[in-house]
Amino acid sequence: EVQLLESGGGLVQPGGSLTLSCAASGFTFSSYAMNWVRQAPGKGLEWVSYISGGGDNTYFADSVRGRFTISRDNSKNTLYLQMNSPRAEDTAVYYCTQVTTEVIRNWGQGTLVTVSS
Amino acid sequence: DIQMTQSPSTLSASVGDRVTITCRASQSISSWLAWYQQKPGKAPKLLIYKASSLESGVPSRFSGSGSGTEFTLTISSLQPDDFATYYCQQYNSLWTFGQGTKVEIK
Repeated sequence: EVQLLESGGGLVQPGGSLTLSCAASGFTFSSYAMNWVRQAPGKGLEWVSYISGGGDNTYFADSVRGRFTISRDNSKNTLYLQMNSPRAEDTAVYYCTQVTTEVIRNWGQGTLVTVSS
Repeated sequence: DIQMTQSPSTLSASVGDRVTITCRASQSISSWLAWYQQKPGKAPKLLIYKASSLESGVPSRFSGSGSGTEFTLTISSLQPDDFATYYCQQYNSLWTFGQGTKVEIK
């Protein structure tokens, strides 16, 4: 069974930094691309970032490009999202997701990030 | 960027009703479309991929159709467990979600 467990959320000040982690299990982690998807309180879903299985290809939504970094450690079966200079509009639940043939198939339970002073 | 527009935003229906949700893409996405169901406080769940392929374990009352720019999700007979918010999503070029359709009890 695929399991994705996010951690690292919490309160962060605007302009600060925060790193989210996602521990994956139940599948061969290095064989699958991964995405981060977020959902602001009471709002819809927004794709944030993509990383290929080997970590050599990454993509970002325009709203976070240049501020967020995605990475993975395949030896630890862990995905990361480093959030630099967060803004109030980055406040959201962040979901770690597994991508299979471009389909976002499996989701973690999410971790809440609140950007506020 | 590809924009996805769902209609309606809210739908009131009763158990047993046939329900249809529409999703339009701002440009052709072939059949690279998925549908998700989300309940309050929970992660989304994949229902349909490649416009009409039913994900394993999803009840057969859910079906999807369409190609190009026009797509529909149909629930043939609404069940109590189906009251939720539904999202379409394109994956032809990166990923974009529609704004969601909340299916509520009439």
